[in-house]
Amino acid sequence: DAEITQSPRHKITETGRQVTLACHQTWNHNNMFWYRQDLGHGLRLIHYSYGVQDTNKGEVSDGYSVSRSNTEDLPLTLESAASSQTSVYFCASTPGQGGTEAFFGQGTRLTVV
Amino acid sequence: ELKVEQNPLFLSMQEGKNYTIYCNYSTTSDRLYWYRQDPGKSLESLFVLLSNGAVKQEGRLMASLDTKARLSTLHITAAVHDLSATYFCAVGHNYGQNFVFGPGTRLSVLP
Repeated sequence: DAEITQSPRHKITETGRQVTLACHQTWNHNNMFWYRQDLGHGLRLIHYSYGVQDTNKGEVSDGYSVSRSNTEDLPLTLESAASSQTSVYFCASTPGQGGTEAFFGQGTRLTVV
Repeated sequence: ELKVEQNPLFLSMQEGKNYTIYCNYSTTSDRLYWYRQDPGKSLESLFVLLSNGAVKQEGRLMASLDTKARLSTLHITAAVHDLSATYFCAVGHNYGQNFVFGPGTRLSVLP
């Protein structure tokens, strides 16, 4: 079955370290998204991509970057982790235009100490 | 800028009762999605509403969309404990290529 997977599921890192969270989907979806979820804020969009080599900033992109070198993967990099980036991160994908809902990965719980 | 509000944010209700969760949004859209999230889990799609007047039902949940009022409702009929979860609405924009989520409604159904 097609799916979207995130790794790792849990990570603890130190302030200032670079961290990369992986997202891989096997649906061949064009659109991929990264959200963070924090109490009181719901889901906030970090970065998104509408296809290979396309990346766009979302609402809370500072301190994060993404790259899209193929259809299946959208890794999220925290360039220099900060305690404010402790959160649960969700990756999602959709085929593209047409109103289809987003399909979510299982999430990555990141703690920055 | 598209903003999405939900109310209530917290809802505690007894089994067997009915209630409605409201989702308001600030700019025109005809694409509205409802998701469910259990504690520590991912988001699960419940309903996709793609036109004014759309109504979808699944079990004890029914969702509707009024694009003119920029309002969607999620109605719960005869609640059961298994419905306890957080419910999010999300509004599509940019021709459905992107989504803005509401803050979520945490529902607790008490026996």
